[in-house]
Amino acid sequence: AQKITQTQPGMFVQEKEAVTLDCTYDTSDPSYGLFWYKQPSSGEMIFLIYQGSYDQQNATEGRYSLNFQKARKSANLVISASQLGDSAMYFCAMREAGSGGSQGNLIFGKGTKLSVKP
Amino acid sequence: ETGVTQTPRHLVMGMTNKKSLKCEQHLGHNAMYWYKQSAKKPLELMFVYNFKEQTENNSVPSRFSPECPNSSHLFLHLHTLQPEDSALYLCASSQRSGGGPGELFFGEGSRLTVL
Repeated sequence: AQKITQTQPGMFVQEKEAVTLDCTYDTSDPSYGLFWYKQPSSGEMIFLIYQGSYDQQNATEGRYSLNFQKARKSANLVISASQLGDSAMYFCAMREAGSGGSQGNLIFGKGTKLSVKP
Repeated sequence: ETGVTQTPRHLVMGMTNKKSLKCEQHLGHNAMYWYKQSAKKPLELMFVYNFKEQTENNSVPSRFSPECPNSSHLFLHLHTLQPEDSALYLCASSQRSGGGPGELFFGEGSRLTVL
């Protein structure tokens, strides 16, 4: 079974509008972390935002916010006031707790391609 | 200077060639990773090195051979690859201790084409 599901292969948004990229996850571990990365055409994966499973408030970083709904196991990324430079692939990822108290490894979804229209 | 640097950015090789990918991180992290990114597939974790010791080999074929001489450098040695090995190979580093989310910092990747 997939651990991370991103159901939107591609999304379009008008410049200056807000857009939500969906991500659902599957874990039985009570301690986990959720990440969003952006990958422009250059190839580099850029870290955007992090949400811990015990965090009480939704994470925000500038124009990025994470809509964390724990009971629904969803961690959607909201980008406000879209810019042309936001056009890229966006990946949701999860880290479960590893064995022996160490950090587990990141597991990535298949990604969503966001295109911002002028 | 970027935090994680990968060379070469592009590589074309025949199936009988031997080549290496290099990764260097300038962030003082203690863990380094190789990921494979193929079209329409999620990123696949290949290898993890923690304090220079390999802690994970994700069932990677032996034609891929990693080497981590120190915490700042990571190599991926390639030998007798197959055309299906053509992909973007991403190196990453992170700090796996001391609290914090331990997010991965990635290089720009090495685009490999196997003829």
